[in-house]
Amino acid sequence: AQSVSQHNHHVILSEAASLELGCNYSYGGTVNLFWYVQYPGQHLQLLLKYFSGDPLVKGITGFEAVFIKSKFSFNLRKPSVQWSDTAEYFCAVNSGYSTLTFGKGTMLLVSP
Amino acid sequence: DVKVTQSSRYLVKRTGEKVFLECVQDMDHENMFWYRQDPGLGLRLIYFSYDVKMKEKGDIPEGYSVSREKKERFSLILESASTNQTSMYLCASSFRVWEGARRTDTQYFGPGTRLTVL
Repeated sequence: AQSVSQHNHHVILSEAASLELGCNYSYGGTVNLFWYVQYPGQHLQLLLKYFSGDPLVKGITGFEAVFIKSKFSFNLRKPSVQWSDTAEYFCAVNSGYSTLTFGKGTMLLVSP
Repeated sequence: DVKVTQSSRYLVKRTGEKVFLECVQDMDHENMFWYRQDPGLGLRLIYFSYDVKMKEKGDIPEGYSVSREKKERFSLILESASTNQTSMYLCASSFRVWEGARRTDTQYFGPGTRLTVL
């Protein structure tokens, strides 16, 4: 069975700091990779996704993620966070035919 | 824009009650899903459906059942609610998308129902 590991459960940053959230998965074959975000009181939204091609994927609001196949990783990055990025971030993986497997989430708190 | 709606944002029920959670999507998606979200555990799949009247168990189906009589509607049923079913319940839907021989579906989520069982 697939598993997804998110390295940090809680991250606290000051505004303008750089962000990198780690995500590793266990499946060795072809995968589809997703980052979802849940802002306080809002529903889960797709931030970005990777199916194939350029391993650097750009998403909404300045986020990007890089797929490193050899490391089974799909880390989320943002060069300069804002207070409005305070949210919970979920990495998710599937192998095409299968259902999504989610990580446990990382709560990001950005202090102004 | 994809619209996935859930019947209630907040629900309070008593132990032993039968509970229905409803989900409706307006994009003619084939696939629909029910998850529960708990702090520190992420999202866990309860049941999913890839067509009308079809259902498949997810990772934690015990204590739950589902119904899909129409393509746009997917219901989650707690036959006899228990306190350990207190949780946030999320519904999602997706198209079946093929890129060559590969599936590349993207799931879209509803706002969630926060269920409290007393």
